[in-house]
Order: sequence, then structure tokens, then C-alpha cells
Amino acid sequence: EIVLTQSPGTLSLSPGERATLSCRASQSISSRYLAWYQQRPGQAPRLLIYGASSRATGISDRFSGSGSGTDFTLTISSLEPEDFAVYYCQEYGSTFGPGTTVEVK
Amino acid sequence: QVQLQESGPRVVKPSETLSLSCTVSGFSIVSDYCWGWIRQPPGKGLEWVATICQGGRTFGGPIIQSRLTMSMDTSKNQFSLFLTSVTAADTAIYYCARVVAATSADHWGQGTLVTVSS
Repeated sequence: EIVLTQSPGTLSLSPGERATLSCRASQSISSRYLAWYQQRPGQAPRLLIYGASSRATGISDRFSGSGSGTDFTLTISSLEPEDFAVYYCQEYGSTFGPGTTVEVK
Repeated sequence: QVQLQESGPRVVKPSETLSLSCTVSGFSIVSDYCWGWIRQPPGKGLEWVATICQGGRTFGGPIIQSRLTMSMDTSKNQFSLFLTSVTAADTAIYYCARVVAATSADHWGQGTLVTVSS
């Protein structure tokens, strides 16, 4: 079973700053199977990135994904107020990481 | 516009079976997409429960494969989850979702809180 680790657990930033979130897998995975989600309080998660680097429909180009093998990154180029939320990585319709909270500094 | 709506009992007794349905509108479940359930215990992270694809192929998440069954009802454009022998640890918000290539969930229901309690 693949285990996903996300870091940092919490990221404290100001609007307009750049956010870099990490997701590390316990063994190498295909980039095709790595996705990122955003979850705002009280809402269902929303797919942001699939296939490690492809933006889902309607997702702002502020969001970008990269990586391969065991190390993947979600970058938010310039934080908007609505971007403060919890972000999860996920592998192959199965394992989720524990999440990174992006909070207002 | 794809919409999903969960339905089922909000409270289930310990050792009994949790049964949830997801009604899909705006898109046929008879397609190349798969359909899945994801849950979230109160205040915690996401857990993938199970996925069902065309032909009834079912994939369990890493947690509870031995206790789950999924089914599809194409006449109602609906799919269902059955989780047996529930305990308090199964208390969670249960989301249904459309799953792309059995990998990522691109449309989600609003979620329904199911509490296991006597």
C-alpha cells in the first residue's frame, strides 16, 4: 500500500504570496495517477489537478502541479482570499495524503 | 451539468449495515466513467472507500474492502454503497463522486453525515 505524506502540515501566508505544497509517496507512482484537491470549510472537495500537472475544468491558472516518481508539488502563484483552504493529494483513486492547511498569516 | 446527490439513513446502529445511494443527474452512469464513494470522519482527512466501473467492476479503498459492496441501477441513474458490520469508526461524511479513469474524482455530491450510534 502506498502512503502519501504532505508537507508542511500548515502553511501561513498572506494574500498575494506564493504557496508551495509538497506531496511525497512511499514508493514511485505514475504521474498519471496523482491528483490534487481543494476543500474549503463546510464544502465538498474540488478537483484542481489530475495527472500531476493538468488543471481540471474551470480551475484558475494560478494553480499548477508538477513532479514525478515520489515527489510532487502543487503551487499557487499568488494567493487569493478564496484559496485559503485545505489541500489534499491523492493517488490512483485510492490513497489520500493527510492534507496541508493554507491559512492567513 | 453533472450533479450528484447522496441519500440514506443518517443514523445506523453498531454491527448493522450502512446503505447509501447516489443519484446522478445531467450525465448517464452508463459511460466510460467510474463512480465512487469517499468519506471524511468529523474533523479529519479524506478516505477513499470504493469505486465501481462499467460491468460492475469494484475497487475497494485501502481500508475496508472486506465489508463493502457496491451496485449500479441504470434505470434510476443511481449507484449504491453497502458497508456491513459498522462501528463508531465508520461515522463520517460520505461523498459520492464521478471518477475519471478510476483515478480522480471530478464531480462530487454535497456529502451526507452518517453517524453510527445505538
